[in-house]
Amino acid sequence: EDKVVQSPLSLVVHEGDTVTLNCSYEVTNFRSLLWYKQEKKAPTFLFMLTSSGIEKKSGRLSSILDKKELFSILNITATQTGDSAVYLCAVIHSDSWGKFQFGAGTQVVVTP
Amino acid sequence: DAGITQSPRHKVTETGTPVTLRCHQTENHRYMYWYRQDPGHGLRLIHYSYGVKDTDKGEVSDGYSVSRSKTEDFLLTLESATSSQTSVYFCAISERMAGEDNEQFFGPGTRLTVL
Repeated sequence: EDKVVQSPLSLVVHEGDTVTLNCSYEVTNFRSLLWYKQEKKAPTFLFMLTSSGIEKKSGRLSSILDKKELFSILNITATQTGDSAVYLCAVIHSDSWGKFQFGAGTQVVVTP
Repeated sequence: DAGITQSPRHKVTETGTPVTLRCHQTENHRYMYWYRQDPGHGLRLIHYSYGVKDTDKGEVSDGYSVSRSKTEDFLLTLESATSSQTSVYFCAISERMAGEDNEQFFGPGTRLTVL
């Protein structure tokens, strides 16, 4: 059975801390992995990763994929209260394109 | 923001009644999806469509049916709603250009309560 597992399920940090979120997957036919941020509304796209070892960055957020060990990490440096959200990862299957499989998400709370 | 709307945005209904949720897009994207989101489960795929009249089941399709008669509209129907279908429902769209993957864009969600 295909699985996408995120860890931790939740965490609380102080402003200025660095956060590392993990997404591991067991998918028969992997194509790409995506990260989304969800506040009290619809998820918004952060990154798409297809190739192993290439870091993607956007401001204080960065992400990297390891296709050998089957995981991705999302880093948030110098956290701000606006980073409080649920972070979701999703895997696109290559054998039935269009099918996105999501993990359960990591709830991040950044306290002042 | 991608042009995706969902209707209704909120609905309360009773067990056993039929319910239809509508997703409408103005982006002319080929792929459309229905997800439900429940605490502790993230987003779970109900059904998706890869073209007009072309649909496939997701991981939690039991009790749900879909239809897509036009590119812009994707309907989700609960034939006989049950309390376990109380959830937030998200529609999403995506496209694939020149063999490259693209992200999904999400609608605002529909909060459905089945009493």
